[in-house]
Formats: sequence, structure tokens, C-alpha cells
Amino acid sequence: EAGVAQSPRYKIIEKRQSVAFWCNPISGHATLYWYQQILGQGPKLLIQFQNNGVVDDSQLPKDRFSAERLKGVDSTLKIQPAKLEDSAVYLCASSFSKGMASYNEQFFGPGTRLTVL
Amino acid sequence: QKEVEQNSGPLSVPEGAIASLNCTYSDRVSQSFFWYRQYSGKSPELIMSIYSNGDKEDGRFTAQLNKASQYVSLLIRDSQPSDSATYLCAVRKNYGQNFVFGPGTRLSVLP
Repeated sequence: EAGVAQSPRYKIIEKRQSVAFWCNPISGHATLYWYQQILGQGPKLLIQFQNNGVVDDSQLPKDRFSAERLKGVDSTLKIQPAKLEDSAVYLCASSFSKGMASYNEQFFGPGTRLTVL
Repeated sequence: QKEVEQNSGPLSVPEGAIASLNCTYSDRVSQSFFWYRQYSGKSPELIMSIYSNGDKEDGRFTAQLNKASQYVSLLIRDSQPSDSATYLCAVRKNYGQNFVFGPGTRLSVLP
């Protein structure tokens, strides 16, 4: 079974530029998460999708961050304009989420390391 | 009070010893608990999940959950240098709700 795919793996941009990250979850996983992980900290949820609907985006800085999952499969996270403090690893994760407790488990992609100069 | 708390470490143990990692959470209605291992420069990898009070064993790993005291722990028996990593505790209130991660505990297993 293929895992969660993300691209690009690394990105370096200047502040005020825009950047987009792509994620393809594990096949059949209805729930998709985007996390931001700053060095030395645990992942912080930015947005959670259930199929193509947003479940939780309370911690997404909506003035500069946006995300979509139009067909309920892959997803894109965008930052525009980027700030220095956006330098972090952006992790995508997915879970099956069909009721049984074991389906709560989420699996992470390799992440995209963003550096904002 | 943070939702999920862990000692940042580093926790150093000799090879072959038992490593004990602890996590406390603030929301009493939390239902699902997870331990992830994260090697430097890599993404988190699920080690264990636990949903009921008591112990759950998987190989060298044992997760322990005490909902009354609001803590969950991870024991690693016969620690190996390859276990050196950051261990993240994650908590989920209910099905369909989001996961909250702790800051992680850095474990160093000394040969």
C-alpha cells in the first residue's frame, strides 16, 4: 500500500513570495490533515478535511494560508505572502476514519521543509 | 495549561535499559491516545495507539493509559541505540475531531 505522498520535499523562497504544497493521501482515506512543525516543537494542526469538506481550520492563518481538497482526494496548501516565521516543515497526514477506533490512526507523509529568507 | 504536555528531555538511558516516556493531557473527555516516533529530519511514525485504561504491549513497546489521572506513558524495553529519536504523544477527543500533539521527548540510548 502506497503511503502519503507530498511534494516538493524542500522549498526555499524569499519573504513575501508565494508557495504551494501538494499532498496525496493513502487511497481510501477520507480524512486529510495539514500540520506545521516548527523545529523543536510538536506538529500543530492547520486544517483538517473530511472528504472535500473542512472539519477544522481554527488554527489556519487565513490572511495568508489557504487549502483546498476539491475532489476529496489530493490537497494543496498555499502560503501567500510568506513570512520568515513560516519556516517549518509542513506535514500532510491521512486517516481512514470510518467509526472504528482503530481507524483513527493517522499516517504522515515525508513532509515539505520550507525555508523563508 | 497546555493541552498535551511532555518532558522535552533529553532522556538518556543505557543500551538494554527500560526507557519510560510520560505524557499528560488536560481534557478529561479525550478518548484516543497515540505515540509517534520521529527521527531527526523525518516525519512522525506511528508506534502505538491505546484507547482503554491499562496496558497494551507490542513487541518491546508497552503503552499505559490512566484516564483518571489523565496520563499516558510509553515503555521501551531493551532500549537500542536505534530507538534514539523524539517521541510524540498525540491525543484525540472523539472520532472525527483533530489530534493534539505534545512537544515531544527526545530520547538518547547510549551504547
